[in-house]
Amino acid sequence: DAGVIQSPRHEVTEMGQEVTLRCKPISGHNSLFWYRQTMMRGLELLIYFNNNVPIDDSGMPEDRFSAKMPNASFSTLKIQPSEPRDSAVYFCASSLSGGDQPQHFGDGTRLSIL
Amino acid sequence: QKEVEQNSGPLSVPEGAIASLNCTYSDRGSQSFFWYRQYSGKSPELIMFIYSNGDKEDGRFTAQLNKASQYVSLLIRDSQPSDSATYLCAVTGFQKLVFGTGTRLLVSP
Repeated sequence: DAGVIQSPRHEVTEMGQEVTLRCKPISGHNSLFWYRQTMMRGLELLIYFNNNVPIDDSGMPEDRFSAKMPNASFSTLKIQPSEPRDSAVYFCASSLSGGDQPQHFGDGTRLSIL
Repeated sequence: QKEVEQNSGPLSVPEGAIASLNCTYSDRGSQSFFWYRQYSGKSPELIMFIYSNGDKEDGRFTAQLNKASQYVSLLIRDSQPSDSATYLCAVTGFQKLVFGTGTRLLVSP
């Protein structure tokens, strides 16, 4: 069975550029989560969707960050403009409906903003 | 007070020993508890979940939950060098998981 698929695996770009991260959740999972992980702050929830609808975006750090889920099999996390402090590993996870279900993580996108 | 607290470690144990990893949480309403393993440079991998007070065993892993004391623990029996990783505790709160910062486990041969 295919797990959560994220792309790209690595992204290196210059400050000020737009960055788009992509995620395909596990088929049949109705909830999708975007996390950011850094050494200093650990794993932080940025936003989560249930049935393609954003439920909680309180973790989105700034207006530079936006996320969409146009259908049940695809989500994007966009940063515009990017800044060096956005450098981190970004994970997408999915689960059956509800935030209390086990979540399965993708391999992550390692983002470096120069 | 952090919502989910773990000792950052490292916790060092010899091969074959029992590793005990602990986690405390602040939300008394939490209902679901998870343990994830994360190898360096990899994504978190779900290894155990527990919903009820008591013990839950799966192979070499045992999760223990005590809601009255608000702690959850993970025991790893017959620890192997391949168990060396960071273990993340996650607890539900308001329809989302809250993760601890993880405990680094080192199993020496």
